Amino acid sequence: AQSVSQHNHHVILSEAASLELGCNYSYGGTVNLFWYVQYPGQHLQLLLKYFSGDPLVKGIKGFEAEFIKSKFSFNLRKPSVQWSDTAEYFCAVRNSGNTPLVFGKGTRLSVIA
Amino acid sequence: DVKVTQSSRYLVKRTGEKVFLECVQDMDHENMFWYRQDPGLGLRLIYFSYDVKMKEKGDIPEGYSVSREKKERFSLILESASTNQTSMYLCASSSGRGWDTQYFGPGTRLTVL
Repeated sequence: AQSVSQHNHHVILSEAASLELGCNYSYGGTVNLFWYVQYPGQHLQLLLKYFSGDPLVKGIKGFEAEFIKSKFSFNLRKPSVQWSDTAEYFCAVRNSGNTPLVFGKGTRLSVIA
Repeated sequence: DVKVTQSSRYLVKRTGEKVFLECVQDMDHENMFWYRQDPGLGLRLIYFSYDVKMKEKGDIPEGYSVSREKKERFSLILESASTNQTSMYLCASSSGRGWDTQYFGPGTRLTVL
C-alpha cells in the first residue's frame, strides 16, 4: 500500500529564510502528487499538484515543488518565507486512477519575525 | 469555485450517543470522502464513495458507517460515540475523472465526553 513520509514534524524559520519540506512516497508506479496547506483555523486548500510533464511545479503564493521519480520525492520549496506562511503543510499521493489520496502526517511551519 | 460544506463546525456529544456528521458538495462530484485529522497523525481515510449508494472502507472504518443516498450528500455516522473518536472530521469531494483534485470542507471538531 502507498505510504507518505514527511520527515519534519515542526519547522521554525525566520522571515525571509528559505524553506524546503521533504516528502517521500513508497509506491513506484504512476502517481499524482499534491501539497495542501492548512492555515490556522482554516480548511485544507490546494497549494500545488503534479500530474505529468515538467517535474518542477509552481503553485500559489510563491511555492514550488520538484518531483524526482528516482528518489520517490516531491519536496516543497519557497525561496523566502513570510510570517503569513505559518501553517501546517501536508503532502499527499494518489496511485494512478480514481483512488483516494494518501496523506503524510504533516509538517507544522512556524515563521517568526 | 467548488464548495464543500459540513453541517457543524463544533459538536459535543456524550459517550454512547449516535452522531451524524453531514457533508454536502455543490459541484456534482462523483467521489466523496471522510477523513479524520489528529495531531501528529495527519489525515486518515475513514470511508469513501464513488457513487450514490456505494461505499468503500478506508484505513480506519471501525466504529463508523456512512450513507450516500444523494449524489451531493455524504453522511458519516458514529453508531455509539466513544472518547477515542474525539477528533477533527474532514469531508472532501472530487470528480470521477482519475486525475482530479480533492476539495475539502471546513471540518467538524467533534468532542465526545
